Parts: sequence; C-alpha cells; structure tokens
Amino acid sequence: DSGVTQTPKHLITATGQRVTLRCSPRSGDLSVYWYQQSLDQGLQFLIQYYNGEERAKGNILERFSAQQFPDLHSELNLSSLELGDSALYFCASSVEGTIGYEQYFGPGTRLTVT
Amino acid sequence: GNSVTQMEGPVTLSEEAFLTINCTYTATGYPSLFWYVQYPGEGLQLLLKATKADDKGSNKGFEATYRKETTSFHLEKGSVQVSDSAVYFCALYNFGNEKLTFGTGTRLTIIP
Repeated sequence: DSGVTQTPKHLITATGQRVTLRCSPRSGDLSVYWYQQSLDQGLQFLIQYYNGEERAKGNILERFSAQQFPDLHSELNLSSLELGDSALYFCASSVEGTIGYEQYFGPGTRLTVT
Repeated sequence: GNSVTQMEGPVTLSEEAFLTINCTYTATGYPSLFWYVQYPGEGLQLLLKATKADDKGSNKGFEATYRKETTSFHLEKGSVQVSDSAVYFCALYNFGNEKLTFGTGTRLTIIP
C-alpha cells in the first residue's frame, strides 16, 4: 500500500459526459501528479500540483482540468468525454524538492467511455 | 527533450532464468533514473532508483547500474520467479522538469 488513495476504482460513463476523479496523497506529500495510461499512448504525464498551485503541465487536453485543495487532495475533471478517453488514470504524490525523489502511485481509476 | 527507450516486450522466461530488460535514455544534465513495476490490476511501485553515474540501485534481487557513458540503466535479476511477472517501466526525472518521463513498459511473464 503506497498510502495514495484514489476513488472511484472503476467508472463507466457515456460520451459527452463529465466525470471527476479524486486523489488523496500520502500524508505529508505536497505534490500531486496525474497520469493517463492507455494501450496506444502508454503512460503520459498530465499535470502536477504543488501545495495547491499548478506546477507543471504535460499532455493534458483542454477538456481536462485539475485542482488541488487546501487539504491537499486533488481532483481531475474530464468533460465532453470521448471514446478515446477510456484509460487508467493514476495519481501519484511525492515529497517535493529533493533530487532523486520518488513518486508514490495510487491504484488508479479505470475509466470506460461507452 | 527527455526520452526513455525500453526493450520491446513481451518477454517470457522460465523460472530461475536470468533477466535483462534494456533501458536507454536521452536527457541533458544528470537525471535520476528509476525502475517501476506494475503488477496485474495494481498501480506502479518503485522498484529501484539511482541518482548519479555509476550508482547501483537494488531491491528484491533486481539491480540496475546508472551508466552515463552509454546512457543506460538496464534492469537485471539473476534468477526470476513466477511472482516477478509484471510490467516494468524505466523512468527518468530531470531536476527542474518536474515530471517523470516513462518508457513504454516491458511485460514480463515467468513460466514455472
């Protein structure tokens, strides 16, 4: 158990809908990262938050957004869903600022868009 | 930019065989290198890491040495077990880039 929790575990929804994925980082970790894992794209970094502020952006679509709340949990919002958004979405957390730090991953949310 | 190239899979070995999964990278400066493992139905777990040239990371019988001259971080294990069946990801972190760059993953299956 990494200490990172994600809910829900599975999500099935229809095209055009909007969903929210939730992540709670390990106790004491200020950074949260979101990744998308799909068969054709592999593991893609989406976005990072550090202590409530956006820190880095990767291959995140404009239809997707995220935020980190004062209690450090994070939510990833996916809207106008398309079939191609079906994937595993992982959240990770880390202690920021030290070279050689590692990220701790949650179990993931499997999103299926039908 | 940063990139990681991993040995194509899938790899199938018999129990107690020797394992090597190749990983090479492209990056400026002195990145940190990682191997993550993903067991079926689970998230990624850090397996080992190395933060500077010639460092050797090791865990659970797995080893990888950070070779700057060949820009490589190959994963090895002397005697694999069925429980090692998983997908293995090589990854790179470059300070200031604030994210992990992953390879495509190598699926390993160990048969008894």
